Amino acid sequence: SAVISQKPSRDICQRGTSLTIQCQVDSQVTMMFWYRQQPGQSLTLIATANQGSEATYESGFVIDKFPISRPNLTFSTLTVSNMSPEDSSIYLCSVKPGLLNTEAFFGQGTRLTVV
Amino acid sequence: AQSVSQHNHHVILSEAASLELGCNYSYGGTVNLFWYVQYPGQHLQLLLKYFSGDPLVKGIKGFEAEFIKSKFSFNLRKPSVQWSDTAEYFCAVSVSGGYNKLIFGAGTRLAVHP
Repeated sequence: SAVISQKPSRDICQRGTSLTIQCQVDSQVTMMFWYRQQPGQSLTLIATANQGSEATYESGFVIDKFPISRPNLTFSTLTVSNMSPEDSSIYLCSVKPGLLNTEAFFGQGTRLTVV
Repeated sequence: AQSVSQHNHHVILSEAASLELGCNYSYGGTVNLFWYVQYPGQHLQLLLKYFSGDPLVKGIKGFEAEFIKSKFSFNLRKPSVQWSDTAEYFCAVSVSGGYNKLIFGAGTRLAVHP
């Protein structure tokens, strides 16, 4: 299993500013994922973050808007840049600790409100 | 591309009623299937998972799900729900093998009334 800590748990931000969300895992994991859960909707994958390489972004998400860092095997950050009210969402970090066919674990999420 | 469909967006039941939540996926190859639950104010938790073997899988809290390959379905069931089962339930699929990403369904919000 894996225990994931996300910071901050919530924030209210002004439009046009940026917020960096941190994800800390209690064990080394190869793959980390960032999801967005917009109000009343399901989880949408933003990107997959591998240590030592560029993140892989899903369709509709770009690095300039959601830059990701993955400096080591236990930590990652997601930045939401130049925010607008449409970015108001819950952002979740997820990891798959095992090599093959294992479950994913999720952090508690960061609830972001952009005003 | 893979996709997941959950047929019921909102379900309201009385305690002791039986529950079945539908989930269908689209992908022609081998998949791993999951049901996650999100209780109010809490993070996502795994209810159960299917990787291979017996298509009827049992999870926590009395939940079970049946994988029917011919129907591309993985429906979640519980014979008798409790008020504490009030939550949002997400079906998810990943392509088998490796570190493949999870694709989630839209979720089903279940409310159980005492």
